[in-house]
Amino acid sequence: DAKTTQPPSMDCAEGRAANLPCNHSTISGNEYVYWYRQIHSQGPQYIIHGLKNNETNEMASLIITEDRKSSTLILPHATLRDTAVYYCIVSLSGWTPLVFGKGTRLSVIA
Amino acid sequence: DAGVTQSPTHLIKTRGQHVTLRCSPISGHKSVSWYQQVLGQGPQFIFQYYEKEERGRGNFPDRFSARQFPNYSSELNVNALLLGDSALYLCASSLGKAGGPYEQYFGPGTRLTVT
Repeated sequence: DAKTTQPPSMDCAEGRAANLPCNHSTISGNEYVYWYRQIHSQGPQYIIHGLKNNETNEMASLIITEDRKSSTLILPHATLRDTAVYYCIVSLSGWTPLVFGKGTRLSVIA
Repeated sequence: DAGVTQSPTHLIKTRGQHVTLRCSPISGHKSVSWYQQVLGQGPQFIFQYYEKEERGRGNFPDRFSARQFPNYSSELNVNALLLGDSALYLCASSLGKAGGPYEQYFGPGTRLTVT
């Protein structure tokens, strides 16, 4: 079973920041938080990962709480192309088998 | 550089038949994983191979098998197909060596329909 809990769906206005929450209260000290997204009928796409520090790349920012029990993925300026299912996954190394939950379906609205 | 490629894109089979799905990882990646995604669910892990050896197996029946070749490409075989095997089959590759963490890169998938 997935070790994460995410809201089933969220809406975001185009051009605004999308903030996607994830709870992982049972995360171990050496497990990373990974985010992937899946645009309809395509393979999942890696977005970002982090251990305990906040991380930022060209796609998104990842904010992990100090107790590491939750995190937030931030898409700073959402576009229609960001409409997808977003998965939050905890993993020891990232290349071991990923356990996907049902994710959050983000709808970006014009 | 080319990403992960999978073939075929779509496939229609009849119950009881067998199927072979193929995956080519990103150049330099030695780990390949297979996932099954049924409609409305997240991907579910089937197999992982690293350096041609099986490193993990998910909760799937023995009708499912896989292998990895010396060039790190991989095949997933499913025998005695059931209607419930209809799904999107995803292949993911990763560097998979010590010293991670590493991300997995997914291919576009093979859509299998069993009738």
